[in-house]
Amino acid sequence: GAVVSQHPSRVICKSGTSVKIECRSLDFQATTMFWYRQFPKQSLMLMATSNEGSKATYEQGVEKDKFLINHASLTLSTLTVTSAHPEDSSFYICSARDPGGLYSEETQYFGPGTRLLVL
Amino acid sequence: AQKVTQAQTEISVVEKEDVTLDCVYETRDTTYYLFWYKQPPSGELVFLIRRNSFDEQNEISGRYSWNFQKSTSSFNFTITASQVVDSAVYFCALSDLNNNDMRFGAGTRLTVKP
Repeated sequence: GAVVSQHPSRVICKSGTSVKIECRSLDFQATTMFWYRQFPKQSLMLMATSNEGSKATYEQGVEKDKFLINHASLTLSTLTVTSAHPEDSSFYICSARDPGGLYSEETQYFGPGTRLLVL
Repeated sequence: AQKVTQAQTEISVVEKEDVTLDCVYETRDTTYYLFWYKQPPSGELVFLIRRNSFDEQNEISGRYSWNFQKSTSSFNFTITASQVVDSAVYFCALSDLNNNDMRFGAGTRLTVKP
């Protein structure tokens, strides 16, 4: 089946630094990828929709200058948490939309997630 | 607006018991997808099922079964003869037919005790 990878799986950084998280679709081209955030014992909240070759669409309340999204190719989207603070510590999950084809439906596949801890 | 409600925050059962996880949704769309995902402690989401709003037929997959009732906007999930390995957080989700705008419920934490 289709696979979406994320790197790194876990990162610890100091407050004030920036952290980049990569999301890759490994065996399909994804014109659209999504970024979610999940705080401990809470649900997944959609942060933004990343479209290849254009600007990301952010959900209400998500700071676009703080969470920079770049979808530079059909298989890679990156989320950069700029000037990270302890309150940004969370589990970040990406997903990629496989457009499907003649014999398969359009499907969204999730990555394994990245745990960010900001000290 | 899309909204998914999982009223059960936590459920605890003893192994071999049957358990039903409730999911109620709201949407203005006439066509949509409903999903169930399992999230074990590792955090990775495990896809369980996707149901198109056109298809109200109930589905069974091994010990898992799903009851989709469009009239009550519910998509409930039943695990028969639960096992310890079923312990996880289960999320119900809703999206449009382009797989956009996926909204998750709050999740139900299921603990199956031996």
